[in-house]
Parts: sequence; structure tokens; C-alpha cells
Amino acid sequence: DTEVTQTPKHLVMGMTNKKSLKCEQHMGHRAMYWYKQKAKKPPELMFVYSYEKLSINESVPSRFSPECPNSSLLNLHLHALQPEDSALYLCASSQDQTSGYEQYFGPGTRLTVT
Amino acid sequence: DQQVKQNSPSLSVQEGRISILNCDYTNSMFDYFLWYKKYPAEGPTFLISISSIKDKNEDGRFTVFLNKSAKHLSLHIVPSQPGDSAVYFCAASAVGGTYKYIFGTGTRLKVLA
Repeated sequence: DTEVTQTPKHLVMGMTNKKSLKCEQHMGHRAMYWYKQKAKKPPELMFVYSYEKLSINESVPSRFSPECPNSSLLNLHLHALQPEDSALYLCASSQDQTSGYEQYFGPGTRLTVT
Repeated sequence: DQQVKQNSPSLSVQEGRISILNCDYTNSMFDYFLWYKKYPAEGPTFLISISSIKDKNEDGRFTVFLNKSAKHLSLHIVPSQPGDSAVYFCAASAVGGTYKYIFGTGTRLKVLA
């Protein structure tokens, strides 16, 4: 089973709203990732969690707040977003954070900020 | 600075023929490479990988070739099928240290029936 699930599939939120994106994997992977993808662009790394600890923050604005409650779950809390934050948000996981392991992606959450 | 480049934004191939997707990189420290396929409104699906200690890896209809001296890799799909129509991304990561994949800009493949 190489499934990563993400909820919700679509999300529309106003600039003053607070919402959360959820990601789950049951492959026993110890590294989990958040990516942002705009149309016709490659995925851009936002955050990496390794063994439930934040390992990489790619200088992401504080209006995005990641959380890893346990080894299977990854959340992305959203607050006071801007219209330019509208994008496909992808979660991924891999066996480990070291090189040589492929990442498995979820289907993504399509976020629209109005 | 785009460290991983896919210079062909799109490619059309007849069903049954070979599709060749190319990827170039600039960082000589990259040692592991992946190819992903992405359908619209879905997350990328892992296809095949190759380590820098190899120059070829094969999995069914998919073969990835790595030319380290040219800093170039290619994905061959034989025979191409209409269901292969998607955007293909290559990704590269550097040896040791923090694990981070850099993705190319993608090539849209259209397989014509």
C-alpha cells in the first residue's frame, strides 16, 4: 500500500479564515513533506518533518503553520492567507529523510483564497 | 537558478512508438533521481528512480538512462499508450545531509491514438 491521503480535496477560504489541511499515511514512513504547486510549475518544498520533528522550513511565511501530531499524521494550519496563496497543496511521505528514498504523494488539496 | 531543467514543455507521440523525455541538471552533487507522472488534479505518482552508481534502470515499459558526465537523464516509454498522457517531472537530490528533491518544470506528454 503506497497511499497518502489528504483532506479536504478542495477548500475555499477568505483571507480572515482559519482552516487546516490534513495528511495521513500508514506506510510506516518517518519523513513527511508539504509542497505547494502553482499551475504549470513544479512542486515547491515548504516543510519537512523527520521522526515527527520539523527538519526543514523553506522560509515559509508564518501564516502557514505545520504540525505533526504523530508519525502517521501531518497537518498544515492556515491563517490570514493571501489570494496569491491559492494553489495545490501536496503532502508526501518517504521511508526516511536521507537520499535514496522515493517520495509518495497524496492527491493534493486545491486551495482557493478569496 | 533552475538546477533541474526539462527543456521541452510538451511532446506528442503516436501510440505504440517510443516516448523520450529529457532532463538536465547543473549540480554535480545530485546522486539520486526520480521520475514522476502527474495527471490533472492529482498528486504526482512515482514511476522510476536511478542512483548515480548506475547508468540505466528498467521497470516494464519505463527505462531511465543517466549520463553523469553530461548531467543528463532521460525517461524512455516503450510502447507509448494513450494512458501515458500526463505531465512528467524529473527530480534530483544531493548526496548526504538534508534530504530535499529539486523538481524540474515538467514535460506534458500526449500520446495520440
